Parts: sequence; structure tokens; C-alpha cells
Amino acid sequence: GEDVEQSLFLSVREGDSSVINCTYTDSSSTYLYWYKQEPGAGLQLLTYIFSNMDMKQDQRLTVLLNKKDKHLSLRIADTQTGDSAIYFCAENTGSYQKVTFGTGTKLQVIP
Amino acid sequence: DAGVIQSPRHEVTEMGQEVTLRCKPISGHNSLFWYRQTMMRGLELLIYFNNNVPIDDSGMPEDRFSAKMPNASFSTLKIQPSEPRDSAVYFCASYDSINEKLFFGSGTQLSVL
Repeated sequence: GEDVEQSLFLSVREGDSSVINCTYTDSSSTYLYWYKQEPGAGLQLLTYIFSNMDMKQDQRLTVLLNKKDKHLSLRIADTQTGDSAIYFCAENTGSYQKVTFGTGTKLQVIP
Repeated sequence: DAGVIQSPRHEVTEMGQEVTLRCKPISGHNSLFWYRQTMMRGLELLIYFNNNVPIDDSGMPEDRFSAKMPNASFSTLKIQPSEPRDSAVYFCASYDSINEKLFFGSGTQLSVL
């Protein structure tokens, strides 16, 4: 079945690193995504990783995938106040491109 | 490309009225999704279409909700009659099957009084 879980809240100080974690259940996922939602806005694709990769780095963002444990994480280096948002983990099961989202983690960055 | 376009941006209506939400997906994307977001339930998938055909509508809460996709460039989500508990942000998203990415519209904030 498809189920994506995340912690609901994370608070960090500006300049520190943030790590947002996610677990998923469908081992057939082909792509895993991180989306960012700022207040009053839609979800924006932040980064993604293909299921045969372990890590992907994109500027301040690092995605780690542990396929054995079905665990995905997003690390934001040098977190800024502009990073405050809700971050959603999502998986693509490949079934008609259905994308299932987690509950979202609200990141609060303290100046 | 203008991205996924939703209208209206905000809708305020009275209980019992019919509400129609509209979506124009990104040209060339062959899958379209309707999501609902609330504080209590988070982001819920309501229905999705592939090549204009409804694939899975198991997330549609009840018969008051219906969705159509008459062509590749347009979809509607209708609620009739609307109820206060339908108040939420409704998102439409379209899928780029070549790059395997989902793109969201800005959403429709629906308030049913």
C-alpha cells in the first residue's frame, strides 16, 4: 500500500542545518520528491531523487535515500528565514503517475 | 508556459449552492490531479485523470463531488450542494511524464458559509 509519513514540526536557528525526515511504504516507488509550500501558495517542486540513487545534492539541499529502510531525508544547509515553509515528501508509485504526499513538516526558522 | 492555471483564486459561497472549480493543466501533460488541503486532514488526493479518463476517484468524499475532464486542456471539480465542511484549498496539478514531475496550480480557497 501507499503511505508516506513525516513529523509535523521542526524548529531550527538561522544558519544551522535542517533535516526533515520521511518514511514511505511502497517499495515500487520510482521517484521520490520534496515539495515546498509557502503560506498562501501552492506546492513547488524543490528537488527529487530517482529510486536507484542514494544521494542527490543541489546547492544547499541534500537528499538521502535509504531504500532498504524506505527512508528519505532532506537536509538544508545554512537554513535561512526564507526557508520557513511546509515541506512535503511524496512518492511516485508509477501507477498512472500517481503521486502520494506525506502530511507535511512545518519548518520554523528562528532568526 | 504559464503553469497550471486554476480559477477562481477565491470562492465564497453559501451552504447549498453549487460550486465549480476550474483547472487548465500545462500543455502536453497527460495526467491531471485534484487535491484538497485542510488543516485537519492535510493534502488529500480526490481524483486523477490520465489522458482525460478518470483513473481513481476513491478519494472523492461523497456523491456531492464530481469531476470532469472533457479535453486535455480543461478540467472541472464541482460540488453540489456545497456544505461548510467543504471549506478548504483545492489544488489542481498536472504531471510531466517525460521528466516525471508534478506541477501544482496556485489553488482555489473555498469558503462555504
